[in-house]
Amino acid sequence: DIVLTQSPATLSLSPGDRATLSCRARQRIANSLAWYQQKPGQAPRLLIYDASNRAAGIPARFSGSGSGTDFTLTISSLEPEDFAVYYCQQRGDWPLTFGGGTKVEIK
Amino acid sequence: QVHLVQSGADVKKPGASLKVSCETSGYTFTDYYIHWVRQAPGQGLEWMGRLNPKIDTTNLAQKFQGRVTMTSDSSISTAYMELKRLNSDDTAVYFCAKDLFNWGSGWIDSWGQGTLVTVSS
Repeated sequence: DIVLTQSPATLSLSPGDRATLSCRARQRIANSLAWYQQKPGQAPRLLIYDASNRAAGIPARFSGSGSGTDFTLTISSLEPEDFAVYYCQQRGDWPLTFGGGTKVEIK
Repeated sequence: QVHLVQSGADVKKPGASLKVSCETSGYTFTDYYIHWVRQAPGQGLEWMGRLNPKIDTTNLAQKFQGRVTMTSDSSISTAYMELKRLNSDDTAVYFCAKDLFNWGSGWIDSWGQGTLVTVSS
């Protein structure tokens, strides 16, 4: 299985700050990576797929980059509703796997 | 508007089986794969497998092979996931979700609300 390692585990920031989240794959997966946001008690929400494509309805402050083994999710200016847990997911090989998550919390 | 509505929370004893339903609406059910993902309390997301409702075939994570069955009833646009021989490690919220594209991309967009299953003696 392809292991995805997310860092940091927790990111403490203030509204308006820039958030940079990392996801590293143990083997190359081209651009086969997605990012999800999950708030407590809710289902995940797809933000980014194919490493850099925003899903429908996702604000432009969310952007994804990377290919191969190193990927980044950037939130350009944090809004209050962006404080949540973020997961990366790969589809480069079966089974689909998720990273362990990065919690973005209010500083 | 796409909706996936799952069956309610359940409590099961070790060794029993669970079956979660996922009623869909707002799109053509047979055109999109249904994924099942679970999340243990306070933990991350774990993909269990996916179902092609058009031809009733599945791709399962090896961990669940032999223990999970994914089926559907296209006449009522509903998918089902059955997990057998439950143990305490199966305590989790189980999500059904629809694939983003009709060719089975592996990206997961619309999600059900989740079904909490507690395994306890």
